[in-house]
Amino acid sequence: GESVGLHLPTLSVQEGDNSIINCAYSNSASDYFIWYKQESGKGPQFIIDIRSNMDKRQGQRVTVLLNKTVKHLSLQIAATQPGDSAVYFCAENQAGTALIFGKGTTLSVSS
Amino acid sequence: EAQVTQNPRYLITVTGKKLTVTCSQNMNHEYMSWYRQDPGLGLRQIYYSMNVEVTDKGDVPEGYKVSRKEKRNFPLILESPSPNQTSLYFCASRNTGSNEQFFGPGTRLTVL
Repeated sequence: GESVGLHLPTLSVQEGDNSIINCAYSNSASDYFIWYKQESGKGPQFIIDIRSNMDKRQGQRVTVLLNKTVKHLSLQIAATQPGDSAVYFCAENQAGTALIFGKGTTLSVSS
Repeated sequence: EAQVTQNPRYLITVTGKKLTVTCSQNMNHEYMSWYRQDPGLGLRQIYYSMNVEVTDKGDVPEGYKVSRKEKRNFPLILESPSPNQTSLYFCASRNTGSNEQFFGPGTRLTVL
């Protein structure tokens, strides 16, 4: 079946550095990919999405890159702040089917 | 305030005792969904609903039921809970044309 996974379970960075969180997926037929952020004790929060026909999408301090050739997705966070500390999930979806989440990467930002 | 609410937030119960976790959203969203989150397994979708009276199985529907009689409510029913359903449950909603899904605060369920 489909699977979505993240390369590293944890990532530690210094405040002000850029962070890159990676995700590999297996379902070539997915229509879009989404990144979520989950802070401790809270539900996941939508960050940004990207359609499968796009390579790059930028938001506020975040950029998502999609490489369909190698089935790889990344989330780049510019000037990482302590408030960015959380677990980050990628997810993939085909229209009308279940949303499949990866297992998450824990980002720790130290001052 | 636009939000998704879940009740109860915490529940400890025993095997076989039927329970319902309620979910309500005030954003007039068509799409609602239930997930469970377990260590090492991430978030897995249980059921989802594209609109009133329309529900579909997600990745792990066994042992769960849902209903969507009203647009705002999407209760999760465990007819006969078992210990393997001990988990953190999240309800979520979104508009049909959007990928931005809003999650509730979670319900931590323990089945003894």
